[in-house]
Formats: sequence, C-alpha cells, structure tokens
Amino acid sequence: GAVVSQHPSWVICKSGTSVKIECRSLDFQATTMFWYRQFPKQSLMLMATSNEGSKATYEQGVEKDKFLINHASLTLSTLTVTSAHPEDSSFYICSAREASDGTGELFFGEGSRLTVL
Amino acid sequence: AQSVTQLDSQVPVFEEAPVELRCNYSSSVSVYLFWYVQYPNQGLQLLLKYLSGSTLVKGINGFEAEFNKSQTSFHLRKPSVHISDTAEYFCAVSDLSGGYQKVTFGTGTKLQVIP
Repeated sequence: GAVVSQHPSWVICKSGTSVKIECRSLDFQATTMFWYRQFPKQSLMLMATSNEGSKATYEQGVEKDKFLINHASLTLSTLTVTSAHPEDSSFYICSAREASDGTGELFFGEGSRLTVL
Repeated sequence: AQSVTQLDSQVPVFEEAPVELRCNYSSSVSVYLFWYVQYPNQGLQLLLKYLSGSTLVKGINGFEAEFNKSQTSFHLRKPSVHISDTAEYFCAVSDLSGGYQKVTFGTGTKLQVIP
C-alpha cells in the first residue's frame, strides 16, 4: 500500500519554543491530509484538514494560531506547534488519502511524539 | 453528526480463542465503516473497510467484520487469535453528510492476548 512518512518520530523541546512536524506521502499525491492528536489511552482527535494550496480547515476548539498547518505541495504537509507548553505534549499523527471521493483508504504516518519540558 | 461507540476499552482473551470487538455507529445517512489497528507508538493500519455490497467484509490477518444496518453495528471478529494480535483496535465511520471526507474514530479497544 501507499506510504506516509512523518518526521521526527520523537521530539523533546523546551517550553516556549516552536516545533515543526513533517508529513510526506512517499508514493502518491495527496491533495488532502489530516492531522490528529492522540492523548494517552484515548482515541484520535481530528485537529484539522490540510488542503494543498489553500488554508487548512480546523476543527472546533483547535487554535489555528497555535497549530500552524502548511500544505505547500501535493506530497508534504507540516504542522508547527508554536510556543509549545507542557499541555501540548501528545502523539500527533497525520494521514492522507489517495482518492478524493472519500472511498480510498486512509494511510497513516508513524506518528510523532512531542514532549514539552 | 456521525459518531462511533466502542463499549469495551479492554478485551482479554486466551491465545487461539475467538474474539469479537464491538462497534456501534450513529448516523442518519449512508456510511462507510472501517477498522484500524494500532501497535504501540505507531500509526494506524487499515484492517478492513465496508463501503457497499456484501455485509460480511474480510480483512487482513484473518479478521472479518459484519455490517448490520438495523443494529447500526460493525463488530470485528477473529476465530482464533495469536499473541501478535495484541494491539489497540479502532472502529471508524465517515458518512455522506460530509462527503465521506471526515473520519470519526471510536475510543479504541485494547486487545490483550494471553498465552
């Protein structure tokens, strides 16, 4: 199947700094990518839908100025956690779908674990 | 709005025994249904999906699920589990109201296979 790669897989940063996480579709083009946040022992919470060439669509309650999403090309979306604080520590996962009609499988990245000290 | 309920947070089962992981969904329109598996510190992998057609869907690793529209359920089953099946399993739904674009996940069921 198609491959989605995330980088970095682990990141530790100091409070107040910004962290960028990359999500790449390696062998297909993804006009839409999705960013999720997963708290321990909980499900995935959709944060935003990243659209190539346009602004991301954020879910209710997600601060767009806090979590900056850029989808500059058909194979790359980035999530930047700005001025990170300990409560931002979490497992962040991206996904992408080959088909634009919703029938295609969602391919997930390996996830990025962010720890803010 | 679409939603998914996984009532069992943890399911312990002995190796080679059968298992059923329950999933119920809520939607007033046509749905697509999915089961994903997540191993520790990894992303999710698709086990199987129901889009249309036969209500019994077979997936990878010997898993299958049955779509029951009247009971709004999509339970996951395996006749004989292995140690390697120990993981967390997520049921997910996307429906016509959002053009099937948005996927909503259940809270997950942790399957613990006991040797």
